[in-house]
Amino acid sequence: AQSVTQLGSHVSVSEGALVLLRCNYSSSVPPYLFWYVQYPNQGLQLLLKYTTGATLVKGINGFEAEFKKSETSFHLTKPSAHMSDAAEYFCAVTALSGGYQKVTFGTGTKLQVIP
Amino acid sequence: KAGVTQTPRYLIKTRGQQVTLSCSPISGHRSVSWYQQTPGQGLQFLFEYFSETQRNKGNFPGRFSGRQFSNSRSEMNVSTLELGDSALYLCASSPDGTPLDSPLHFGNGTRLTVT
Repeated sequence: AQSVTQLGSHVSVSEGALVLLRCNYSSSVPPYLFWYVQYPNQGLQLLLKYTTGATLVKGINGFEAEFKKSETSFHLTKPSAHMSDAAEYFCAVTALSGGYQKVTFGTGTKLQVIP
Repeated sequence: KAGVTQTPRYLIKTRGQQVTLSCSPISGHRSVSWYQQTPGQGLQFLFEYFSETQRNKGNFPGRFSGRQFSNSRSEMNVSTLELGDSALYLCASSPDGTPLDSPLHFGNGTRLTVT
């Protein structure tokens, strides 16, 4: 069975500061990991994904995430926060279940950016 | 390609009534999943349809049902509405024969308010 844990339901950073959103996963098979972002009154959209290969994954809007197998982590970072980054962020893991894709989402982290 | 379209965007219903929500996936996508999102429970998986068949189901009461048509459009129905059914209902689609690294594509959701 797979699961995802996001530490911190709310994170506040100052504009221009480093953004770090934490995600730890549990999976009995090699994981496929995703970060999604949700702006107010919208659906989720893909930020980035990890499949296999390079452990540092670059996404849209200057975000990146590093896959660390030894720590079972896939934390999301951005060097300098912008006001437009204020949103809710979801980590997700997919694996085969009964022969098809099953997606498990974390509980989400709301990012507040303080001017 | 047009994105995932959900109608209506907003809905207000009274306790005891029933409601039908609609989702049109991205052209060529045959898998449609539904999620309920609330502040307290986060994203909760309702069910997934593929080629008009329910392939996976979350832990929701039988009042929640869905179906998928031959053109992959999907509807979900909630009967005997309760106040706790107030939520954002999100639909997501993915292609046929989805590899595990394929992300979900979300619509903007239907905001249901039960009074």
